[in-house]
Amino acid sequence: DGGITQSPKYLFRKEGQNVTLSCEQNLNHDAMYWYRQDPGQGLRLIYYSQIVNDFQKGDIAEGYSVSREKKESFPLTVTSAQKNPTAFYLCASTPTGYSYNEQFFGPGTRLTVL
Amino acid sequence: SQQGEEDPQALSIQEGENATMNCSYKTSINNLQWYRQNSGRGLVHLILIRSNEREKHSGRLRVTLDTSKKSSSLLITASRAADTASYFCATDEAGGGADGLTFGKGTHLIIQP
Repeated sequence: DGGITQSPKYLFRKEGQNVTLSCEQNLNHDAMYWYRQDPGQGLRLIYYSQIVNDFQKGDIAEGYSVSREKKESFPLTVTSAQKNPTAFYLCASTPTGYSYNEQFFGPGTRLTVL
Repeated sequence: SQQGEEDPQALSIQEGENATMNCSYKTSINNLQWYRQNSGRGLVHLILIRSNEREKHSGRLRVTLDTSKKSSSLLITASRAADTASYFCATDEAGGGADGLTFGKGTHLIIQP
């Protein structure tokens, strides 16, 4: 059963803490993406990776970090430098890094800062 | 920056009616995609239309693209309660490289039974 999984579904963080959101795919896709969605808004690109061991900043990378050590995994760390981290985070993947492919999305992680 | 802007922001219709939502964008594109998002869930791909196509159908969905006006429309015919969701257009900008899609803010569609 192929797809993208994200964990946890809900995450609560105290101010000043770093947290890591998991994203795993078994679709054998090369490219993976992290988006942030605020209430009533569209998706904004945080980071993307076209291939293992390579990643690029998106439109709102400040306060976030990623790694791509394995093809299947693209974890996102929300650092204490991110001033307003409460949001819904979505991970996606595509077969290649080219945008003529549809993107496959995970179910999302809702992060709340207490 | 967000390229696509959907219109209207919210739409409420009766079950069985047709729903039309529009998307406008600013720069030249390679393709335009429509996605659906149920509340609190991930996005699901609906349809992709390339810049050299004018109309595309998939089941009860009909998408049009007018590159001269930089706009697209999504028509859902014979709406059902299960169509209640937010709908997003996403563009692949021409010459934008392989950095993914640019999403609009979405249209929230409510189908009243």
